[in-house]
Amino acid sequence: NAGVMQNPRHLVRRRGQEARLRCSPMKGHSHVYWYRQLPEEGLKFMVYLQKENIIDESGMPKERFSAEFPKEGPSILRIQQVVRGDSAAYFCASSPGPYKVYNEQFFGPGTRLTVL
Amino acid sequence: KQEVTQIPAALSVPEGENLVLNCSFTDSAIYNLQWFRQDPGKGLTSLLLIQSSQREQTSGRLNASLDKSSGRSTLYIAASQPGDSATYLCAVPIYNQGGKLIFGQGTELSVKP
Repeated sequence: NAGVMQNPRHLVRRRGQEARLRCSPMKGHSHVYWYRQLPEEGLKFMVYLQKENIIDESGMPKERFSAEFPKEGPSILRIQQVVRGDSAAYFCASSPGPYKVYNEQFFGPGTRLTVL
Repeated sequence: KQEVTQIPAALSVPEGENLVLNCSFTDSAIYNLQWFRQDPGKGLTSLLLIQSSQREQTSGRLNASLDKSSGRSTLYIAASQPGDSATYLCAVPIYNQGGKLIFGQGTELSVKP
């Protein structure tokens, strides 16, 4: 059973470009969480999704950031018009659901975004 | 509001020593507590998950305890090895909010040969 997959592992963008980060959850997991780790800071929750639904986006910046988890395919975290402050490691985690083995989350290797 | 604190922020020990990492949380209404390991530039590896009804969990040389009433958890590492060098994070899901995790800042452990 493959773990949580994230790609790309490293992404370099210039200011103003778009960044798309992808996450494939573990097989059988229908719940996806995105977290961000800024340099010298801890991990912070961004958004929680189930298939085709955003359940909680309270940690997402109000502008430029969006996330989706379509019926088919990976979850996507999209950052439009990136700025240097977006440089961070973005981690995706999946779980079988918050009420099953409440709620062990398994993390992917992360995408390290660098904005030039 | 749930807050998670880990002390110490960094710890350096000689190989073979037993050690304890501490995690405290402000809201005792938790479902579980999860300990992770993060190697530099890598993702998070889940080490142990303790359900709120449990007092401790063991995996190999690792033992995690949970005291909900006092808002504390400890991670005990026996006979430490240089390969244990990493940052250790604890996290709790926010009660009734779908399981999103609140993380501590981590303890950076260095085990010297």
